[in-house]
Amino acid sequence: GDSVTQTEGLVTLTKGLPVMLNCTYQTTYSPFLFWYVQHLNEAPKLLLKSSTDNKRTEHQGFYATLHKSSSSFHLQKSSVQLSDSALYFCALNSGTYQRFGTGTKLQVVP
Amino acid sequence: AQTIHQWPVAEIKAVGSPLSLGCTIKGKSSPNLYWYWQATGGTLQQLFYSITVGQVESVVQLNLSASRPKDDQFILSTEKLLLSHSGFYLCAWSLDWGTSAETLYFGSGTRLTVL
Repeated sequence: GDSVTQTEGLVTLTKGLPVMLNCTYQTTYSPFLFWYVQHLNEAPKLLLKSSTDNKRTEHQGFYATLHKSSSSFHLQKSSVQLSDSALYFCALNSGTYQRFGTGTKLQVVP
Repeated sequence: AQTIHQWPVAEIKAVGSPLSLGCTIKGKSSPNLYWYWQATGGTLQQLFYSITVGQVESVVQLNLSASRPKDDQFILSTEKLLLSHSGFYLCAWSLDWGTSAETLYFGSGTRLTVL
C-alpha cells in the first residue's frame, strides 16, 4: 500500500548549520508530495509541495526536489535558525487521502 | 480571507463522559472538511472527511462520530470518552478534494485530555 517514511524522529542542530530531513514514499498513483511545519502548540501549515520530477521547490528558505527515480522528497535548508525549531511532516496525496509521515522534530540550538 | 475556528481550545474530561468538538469555516463556500487526530508529538491521522452537508465518511474507527449540520460547520463527538481519545484534534479544510494537488488548511486545534 501507499506509505510515507520519515526516518529521523529528532534532529538537533546548531544555528547556522545546514539541514536535510528525509522523506521517501511509496504509491501506485502519480505522486504529489507536501511538507507541513508545525510549531509548538500550533496547527500544521503548508511549507511547500510538488509533483514535478527533478524540479526544486522553495519557500521561506526551505527547498525540496521530488525525485521519482528514488521516490524521495527530502527537505533542506542551508542555514537553520532558532525559529525553525518545529515538527516537520512529509505528506503524500494518495488518491482521496492525504497520508502523513511520522514527523521529524527539528531542534535548533544556539 | 478564509478563517477556520475550532472550539473549545482545550478540554479536560473524565473517562466515560460525552464530548463535542466544533469547527467553523468562514469565507469559503462548500469546503471539504476533515477531522484529524494527533497524539502528543505524533503523526496526523485522518478520522473523517465531508465533501457536502449531511454527508460524512469515516476513515478510521475510534469510537467517535462526526456530523456536518451546515455547510460551514463540522462537529466531532462521542458519547463515551476513552483514555485513548486524549490528544490534539485538528479540523482542516480544502477545496480540491480528490485531486492530487489538494492542500489542507488546519485550524488551531483542540487539546483533549481524558482522565
